[in-house]
Amino acid sequence: DGGITQSPKYLFRKEGQNVTLSCEQNLNHDAMYWYRQDPGQGLRLIYYSQIVNDFQKGDIAEGYSVSREKKESFPLTVTSAQKNPTAFYLCASSPGQGETQYFGPGTRLLVL
Amino acid sequence: GESVGLHLPTLSVQEGDNSIINCAYSNSASDYFIWYKQESGKGPQFIIDIRSNMDKRQGQRVTVLLNKTVKHLSLQIAATQPGDSAVYFCAENGNSGTYKYIFGTGTRLKVLA
Repeated sequence: DGGITQSPKYLFRKEGQNVTLSCEQNLNHDAMYWYRQDPGQGLRLIYYSQIVNDFQKGDIAEGYSVSREKKESFPLTVTSAQKNPTAFYLCASSPGQGETQYFGPGTRLLVL
Repeated sequence: GESVGLHLPTLSVQEGDNSIINCAYSNSASDYFIWYKQESGKGPQFIIDIRSNMDKRQGQRVTVLLNKTVKHLSLQIAATQPGDSAVYFCAENGNSGTYKYIFGTGTRLKVLA
């Protein structure tokens, strides 16, 4: 079953805590992305990676960090520096530059 | 389930009718466009795409029209079904040669039985 998986589906964060969202793809795509979705707004790009061991900041990278040690995996860490982390987080991948992006099922992050 | 967008424009159509959802895109340099469907609490699902060298593309029950003169994109859904109820949004690639897409806020489609 090919596709993009994200886990967990729901995640709860306490004050001052770092949390990590998982994203895995078995589509053999080079590029991977993290977006944040808030009600009534378009998707906003947090980080993206064009290739293994390389990633760039998107439009709202502050308070987030990523790694890309394997082609299949692109985990996102929401750090305690992110003061408004409650949102729906979406991971996507594409074969390469300028090609269609396919999305995972999302992770909803809530703050306790 | 969670709502994707609480204050989105809503299009209500009767089951069996055709639906037309519109999108005004922002960057005249964009040359690739995608329509996505997003159900509540789920990730966006690819529906159809179109490149700027075309003005119309058809899929199964869906058609995308592109008017570059006025920077307008539309999605037509034929014989709308209850399962089509979702939020639909467009994406443009902004500036070909980058990885950054620009996403619209979306339109909520409600299918009335």
